[in-house]
Amino acid sequence: DAGVIQSPRHEVTEMGQEVTLRCKPISGHNSLFWYRQTMMRGLELLIYFNNNVPIDDSGMPEDRFSAKMPNASFSTLKIQPSEPRDSAVYFCASSLALGGTYNEQFFGPGTRLTVL
Amino acid sequence: GNSVTQMEGPVTLSEEAFLTINCTYTATGYPSLFWYVQYPGEGLQLLLKATKADDKGSNKGFEATYRKETTSFHLEKGSVQVSDSAVYFCALSAAATGGGNKLTFGTGTQLKVEL
Repeated sequence: DAGVIQSPRHEVTEMGQEVTLRCKPISGHNSLFWYRQTMMRGLELLIYFNNNVPIDDSGMPEDRFSAKMPNASFSTLKIQPSEPRDSAVYFCASSLALGGTYNEQFFGPGTRLTVL
Repeated sequence: GNSVTQMEGPVTLSEEAFLTINCTYTATGYPSLFWYVQYPGEGLQLLLKATKADDKGSNKGFEATYRKETTSFHLEKGSVQVSDSAVYFCALSAAATGGGNKLTFGTGTQLKVEL
């Protein structure tokens, strides 16, 4: 199993540019999570999907952030326009949720975003 | 709502020392509890878990026991190694409205092990 795949691994862009982060979850998993990690705020859950449907986007900072999951094997997190304070490491994670039982979340390697 | 509180770091220890990282939680119902580890430049990895009261999770010499009476899940290791240097996150999971489960993480505790 290839694990959760994220691309790009590193992204450097200028303020005002659009940034798109990509994630391929583990095959067969039905839940997908986007997190942001910074020194100041730690690990924050931005949004998560269950069966491709956004369940909770209360962690999305503002309207500049949007996320989609068009199918079970692909998700994007878009920032438009980007700002320097968006600089962080963005993680995607996936898990298999079955009824009330919980299975662990598997994290991707992250995308380190730098907005100049 | 749910929350996780863990001790602030960094924690600096000498190799072969005993490790304890405290974690307490607040949750409704009966959450599952986890410790994740993050090595430099990597994503988080599950270290161990416990799904019900009095369960003990263990892996790679690390242990944690789910204590419902004290709402705690402290991480311990009898003899740490330099390779254990990482950030450790305590987390709980709870079922989420709309399906699936959501993790609530603590702020993380950085561990530095020196020779």
